[in-house]
Amino acid sequence: ETGVTQSPTHLIKTRGQQVTLRCSSQSGHNTVSWYQQALGQGPQFIFQYYREEENGRGNFPPRFSGLQFPNYSSELNVNALELDDSALYLCASSRGDSEAFFGQGTRLTVV
Amino acid sequence: DQQVKQNSPSLSVQEGRISILNCDYTNSMFDYFLWYKKYPAEGPTFLISISSIKDKNEDGRFTVFLNKSAKHLSLHIVPSQPGDSAVYFCAASAGNGNKLVFGAGTILRVKS
Repeated sequence: ETGVTQSPTHLIKTRGQQVTLRCSSQSGHNTVSWYQQALGQGPQFIFQYYREEENGRGNFPPRFSGLQFPNYSSELNVNALELDDSALYLCASSRGDSEAFFGQGTRLTVV
Repeated sequence: DQQVKQNSPSLSVQEGRISILNCDYTNSMFDYFLWYKKYPAEGPTFLISISSIKDKNEDGRFTVFLNKSAKHLSLHIVPSQPGDSAVYFCAASAGNGNKLVFGAGTILRVKS
């Protein structure tokens, strides 16, 4: 049984660019959630996907968007990157209301 | 508006002693609480959880206590080991399918 994997692990982008982060959910998990963790803070909920549909969204602007694929893997897209988007982006998968299991994260730096 | 608060940024404990990490919440709708542990360069790892219908849950060296009237929960680690040194996050959800609200974390250092 493979765990949650995220790619890439590190990324440097320039302000105004667009970025796509990827997440493979744990086997048997149909729900994927994305979180942003800024330095010195706890993870903040961005949005959740359940069976390819968005299933809730946190307080993030529309330039943060996502997808979930039939195999339950997911992408997080961020357009028009800002310096404040620099953070660790975490993906978590779960099955229904079971505990969420996190990937190792993608460290995004916007310069 | 911080709905989940961990007021102690750090805690230092001697090996073998008890570690107590605290968490307060403000949203009465929260009905499920979790603790995660995070090492540098890794994602958070699930430790233990508790439903609002219970006031205690135990798993080996880890026990979580929930005081609903005070909107307070705590994680007890007994005995503490150097490998427990990590950042501990308290998280809560409101019956909405694992959309977690996290605290800012507490850095635990266990000294040998």
